[in-house]
Amino acid sequence: EAQVTQNPRYLITVTGKKLTVTCSQNMNHEYMSWYRQDPGLGLRQIYYSMNVEVTDKGDVPEGYKVSRKEKRNFPLILESPSPNQTSLYFCASSFGGGGGYGYTFGSGTRLTVV
Amino acid sequence: KQEVTQIPAALSVPEGENLVLNCSFTDSAIYNLQWFRQDPGKGLTSLLLIQSSQREQTSGRLNASLDKSSGRSTLYIAASQPGDSATYLCLPYGGSQGNLIFGKGTKLSVKP
Repeated sequence: EAQVTQNPRYLITVTGKKLTVTCSQNMNHEYMSWYRQDPGLGLRQIYYSMNVEVTDKGDVPEGYKVSRKEKRNFPLILESPSPNQTSLYFCASSFGGGGGYGYTFGSGTRLTVV
Repeated sequence: KQEVTQIPAALSVPEGENLVLNCSFTDSAIYNLQWFRQDPGKGLTSLLLIQSSQREQTSGRLNASLDKSSGRSTLYIAASQPGDSATYLCLPYGGSQGNLIFGKGTKLSVKP
């Protein structure tokens, strides 16, 4: 089944403890991206990657890192999480940025930082 | 920078009504537009994708149209059902851009 898989689905952590949220797609998509969703603010893009080894900042990149060493994986790294990073996170992929085939989203990761 | 507005922000209707959700965007250079559905706390499910060569798409009771010149898209839901209750999001995009801007969505509630 073609899909975007995020892990974990739920995560509770403490301030300052480094964490990684994984994202993997099995559709050979070139483009991958990360979003956070907060009440009243909607979905906001954190980082995106047009292809392997190519990453760019979205609208809210502060406090996050990403890497794209291989096509299928695009992990989101929080080096020192803070409570304001408590949010619902989504990963998405497509054949190409601006691609005519649309975007596929993962099921989300609910992160709580205490 | 692209701005995407969805009106209304929330909508409550009785079952069986036909309804229209609106999405407007400022960057008329967009090529495609995708409509999603999101249930509370869940992921985004793609409903319809209108590609550059198209002006509308239909799937079952859903019909979406796109007018790039005016920067508008509408999602029409026929004979609404309680199971249609969700938040509906639009995503206009195009070219080789990687930075995506979503609308904040329309929260729909269909009462039995």
